[in-house]
Amino acid sequence: ETGVTQSPTHLIKTRGQQVTLRCSSQSGHNTVSWYQQALGQGPQFIFQYYREEENGRGNFPPRFSGLQFPNYSSELNVNALELDDSALYLCASSLQGTSYEQYFGPGTRLTVT
Amino acid sequence: GENVEQHPSTLSVQEGDSAVIKCTYSDSASNYFPWYKQELGKGPQLIIDIRSNVGEKKDQRIAVTLNKTAKHFSLHITETQPEDSAVYFCAVSPYNNNDMRFGAGTRLTVKP
Repeated sequence: ETGVTQSPTHLIKTRGQQVTLRCSSQSGHNTVSWYQQALGQGPQFIFQYYREEENGRGNFPPRFSGLQFPNYSSELNVNALELDDSALYLCASSLQGTSYEQYFGPGTRLTVT
Repeated sequence: GENVEQHPSTLSVQEGDSAVIKCTYSDSASNYFPWYKQELGKGPQLIIDIRSNVGEKKDQRIAVTLNKTAKHFSLHITETQPEDSAVYFCAVSPYNNNDMRFGAGTRLTVKP
């Protein structure tokens, strides 16, 4: 069984730029959720994708967007980066309709300068 | 929206002692309550969870209790070991699991 993987591990961007982060879900899982974790805080829910559509969204502006592909992998896109976007971005996969458990990847550390 | 409060923010215990971390939530519609352990440089790891129709669940040295009436749940770790040292997060989710909210975390240190 393959766990959740994320790429890249680390990323440095400049304010105003755009970034794309990638996530491969655990085998057998059909749902991906994205979270932002600022230093010293708990993860904050950004949005969830199920059947290639957004299935719930937290309190994040529209410049945070996502995609889910037929193989259930997912992308998180952030436009017009701000300094406050610096954080660890986590994705978690789950099996919608069968269980509640969400399993996290190692995260992508994004630094915006 | 859901508000999750977690206490204490830091906890230091001697090896072999027990550790208890508590969380409260506000939305009575929440019905799934997981606990995660996060080590430095890693993503959160699911260690135990409980659903609203169960009052207590145990897995070896780890147990979780839920009081739905009072809207609080707790993580209990017995016979703590140095490798239990990490940040622990509680979380709360509604039935459709599409908006999981986390507590602020508890940094547990187990002294050998």
